[in-house]
Amino acid sequence: IQMTQSPSSLSASVGDRVTITCRASQSINISLNWYQQKPGKAPRLLIFAASSLQSDVPSSFSGSGSGTHFTLTITSLQPGDFATYYCQQSYSAPWTFGHGTKVEIK
Amino acid sequence: QVQLVESGGDLVKPGGSLRLSCAGSGFTFSDYYMTWIRQVPGEGLEWVSYISSNGNTIDYSDSVKGRFTISRDNTKNSLYLQMNTLRAEDTAVYYCARDPPPPGGFGKSGVFDIWGHGTLVTVST
Repeated sequence: IQMTQSPSSLSASVGDRVTITCRASQSINISLNWYQQKPGKAPRLLIFAASSLQSDVPSSFSGSGSGTHFTLTITSLQPGDFATYYCQQSYSAPWTFGHGTKVEIK
Repeated sequence: QVQLVESGGDLVKPGGSLRLSCAGSGFTFSDYYMTWIRQVPGEGLEWVSYISSNGNTIDYSDSVKGRFTISRDNTKNSLYLQMNTLRAEDTAVYYCARDPPPPGGFGKSGVFDIWGHGTLVTVST
């Protein structure tokens, strides 16, 4: 299953609302997860099952979607949110990731 | 606290072998599927292999099948990846990750909730 993220990068300011899109090459129901990765660090799980917030993740992060179209939204971008975000399908192995969206400071 | 720590990354020549280890702590290691995921520096994430909690169920990506072997020792809370016939394209940071069961269920979920810090494998002459 191919995962396509857009955009590949974006520039935004603190306080902005940011939306990242992920599309699957076939229906994956809600088996979609989002990770945040900062430079030199391991990825961190943010959202699983399309919209369930992982514990200790701020409520400014939210996910939606089902089937083939999914979105990650950050309602008010904070300085610690500048990172690369990856979607990943957990519908069927081999588990596959999107190529990432780098969120940079404008 | 819940933690995974990888070790074993190194510089190795093409055709060589390497064994990675991942030590788990702060949770009941034997209850969880475990996974290896790799990342070429500056690029995206690629799932490599998973192993069931008791070691009886294993799967690999096509890119490593036949060359890599995943295993675990639950008495030592440890996960391993034996990498043989290494190629330049295997150069990456290798992460181990925990794969919890689905809510109310058993087995794997394909969701990676805890990651190690990674260990760098470089395949080069």
